[in-house]
Amino acid sequence: ETGVTQSPTHLIKTRGQQVTLRCSSQSGHNTVSWYQQALGQGPQFIFQYYREEENGRGNFPPRFSGLPFPNYRSDLNVNALELDDSALYLCASSAGQGTDTQYFGPGTRLTVL
Amino acid sequence: RKEVEQDPGPFNVPEGATVAFNCTYSNSASQSFFWYRQDCRKEPKLLMSVYSSGNEDGRFTAQLNRASQYISLLIRDSKLSDSATYLCVVLLKTGANNLFFGTGTRLTVIP
Repeated sequence: ETGVTQSPTHLIKTRGQQVTLRCSSQSGHNTVSWYQQALGQGPQFIFQYYREEENGRGNFPPRFSGLPFPNYRSDLNVNALELDDSALYLCASSAGQGTDTQYFGPGTRLTVL
Repeated sequence: RKEVEQDPGPFNVPEGATVAFNCTYSNSASQSFFWYRQDCRKEPKLLMSVYSSGNEDGRFTAQLNRASQYISLLIRDSKLSDSATYLCVVLLKTGANNLFFGTGTRLTVIP
């Protein structure tokens, strides 16, 4: 196991609602990335935090936002949920900006009705 | 144009067969290359990094051709447990260490 944990495992929401997904990265890792994986697709990069500072963002609207915490934790918030937000949300951690290998948590499967 | 293109398959092969997956990437500034394995409804797990010199890990061999922007994975003596989706991944440092994934190639090894 990678030591990256995510909660909850599954979540069902309705359109327009807001959701918060949680991630705890592997101990000693200071970089956390979030990805969205739609059915039948590869994961797509949402954003990354390095030592609690956002240092990069993919092609996602501002209603996808993050909140880093000390002690290797990070939240992903999604406002005004849309049906297309239904996906597996993956958190990945790595040991630092100079380290390329990212290790994924088990993911949160979000269904928007 | 997608950053990483790979054949989605599916590939159905008998046990013991050799199977090869290929992918191409579009950005020549890509810096690191990986193959990840993803089982159904699970997270991606790192299978191996890919180097220009080629690298081998047991039955798995990965190769990178930077000139052609082409990555390959060879699996020899396929086992039932190799059945999974194989994701071709490149890293591009755009401020963040941004992983770009292909759509994945589904492999089923048949008894």
